[in-house]
Amino acid sequence: AQSVTQLDSQVPVFEEAPVELRCNYSSSVSVYLFWYVQYPNQGLQLLLKYLSGSTLVKGINGFEAEFNKSQTSFHLRKPSVHISDTAEYFCAVSFLSYDYKLSFGAGTTVTVRA
Amino acid sequence: NAGVTQTPKFRILKIGQSMTLQCTQDMNHNYMYWYRQDPGMGLKLIYYSVGAGITDKGEVPNGYNVSRSTTEDFPLRLELAAPSQTSVYFCASQQGLWPTIYFGEGSWLTVV
Repeated sequence: AQSVTQLDSQVPVFEEAPVELRCNYSSSVSVYLFWYVQYPNQGLQLLLKYLSGSTLVKGINGFEAEFNKSQTSFHLRKPSVHISDTAEYFCAVSFLSYDYKLSFGAGTTVTVRA
Repeated sequence: NAGVTQTPKFRILKIGQSMTLQCTQDMNHNYMYWYRQDPGMGLKLIYYSVGAGITDKGEVPNGYNVSRSTTEDFPLRLELAAPSQTSVYFCASQQGLWPTIYFGEGSWLTVV
């Protein structure tokens, strides 16, 4: 079965500390991988995506993610967070079977404290 | 840059009422989607369309209907609103099979 799992529902972190958000997927076909961010009362904004090539992907706002095919993971990291990074983060997977519809994880709420 | 535009942004409905959420995109994308977002559940696909005149059900289509008479517009209709339809609704569009999807800003719907 194809699925997307975000392993942490809430991640509290202090300002300037590093953060890692974990995402695992299950698939029998090739995948495209995405991270989206949703700031309070706003829509979703694409942070970064992996389609092919280098497994380390850099996105906006200092975020990066690494695709690990053997562990079927796509964890998101930032070395030093800011208060403005407080948001909900969604991992999404496009299973390359007959279409490219996105399947979303349940989301991880990151709260950055001073 | 308009992108994907949804209206209304906020709406309160009474049980049994009906309404239409409007979605318009100006990027000439052929793929369009409606998602709902519930706390702790991520986004669930309601309906999608691969082009004008073509629509298909997603994961959670019950209680909703869509139409796609033009490339630009993809309205979502709620018939006989129920409290279980209280949610945040997102419209999105995509150009063919190019994997980047663009989202609207969301519509917050409460059914009381």
